[in-house]
Amino acid sequence: QKEVEQDPGPLSVPEGAIVSLNCTYSNSAFQYFMWYRQYSRKGPELLMYTYSSGNKEDGRFTAQVDKSSKYISLFIRDSQPSDSATYLCAIHKAAGNKLTFGGGTRVLVKP
Amino acid sequence: DGGITQSPKYLFRKEGQNVTLSCEQNLNHDAMYWYRQDPGQGLRLIYYSQIVNDFQKGDIAEGYSVSREKKESFPLTVTSAQKNPTAFYLCASNPGTTETQYFGPGTRLLVL
Repeated sequence: QKEVEQDPGPLSVPEGAIVSLNCTYSNSAFQYFMWYRQYSRKGPELLMYTYSSGNKEDGRFTAQVDKSSKYISLFIRDSQPSDSATYLCAIHKAAGNKLTFGGGTRVLVKP
Repeated sequence: DGGITQSPKYLFRKEGQNVTLSCEQNLNHDAMYWYRQDPGQGLRLIYYSQIVNDFQKGDIAEGYSVSREKKESFPLTVTSAQKNPTAFYLCASNPGTTETQYFGPGTRLLVL
């Protein structure tokens, strides 16, 4: 079993819809949670970073962490065609200074 | 402009050849990382370095080698022992003050 699981998609939504992305993880030692956006043939860029259970909002993006269920989510409100990309969750353990990545979910926002 | 640069953007390797991918950063970050990404898959850690002159193997280090002689530079060599090198290679760095990593634009390696 992988340490971090993420549905590969593709997830296709109409413009303006809410995009909902999820990851589950197996190791309770994970403490810090990130979401990256990756456009085709580009390097990933950091979208959201959080370390506590609950919600964190930044513009149209909301990151949600439920440590008791080992479940993290990213919501994109008012989705735009420019949000079409692959979204990767990444989780950090306190020891080791390394990230473990999910496989990524490909999102398509149709005009 | 501060950031991470990777070169070349595309690299072609012949059978039995070693090739080196460049990664340079001017962010003054101590830690640097190399990842491999295959189509439709997430990132897998090849090697990482927390400080100059020190590096550790990641999850898929076989067939790869690195050096860290300068803080700004962390080159990756794909050796002939790596039998399936075709992939997208990403370099990242971490400032040490947070857990986040910042990525370069990547190098796509293809085998002739």
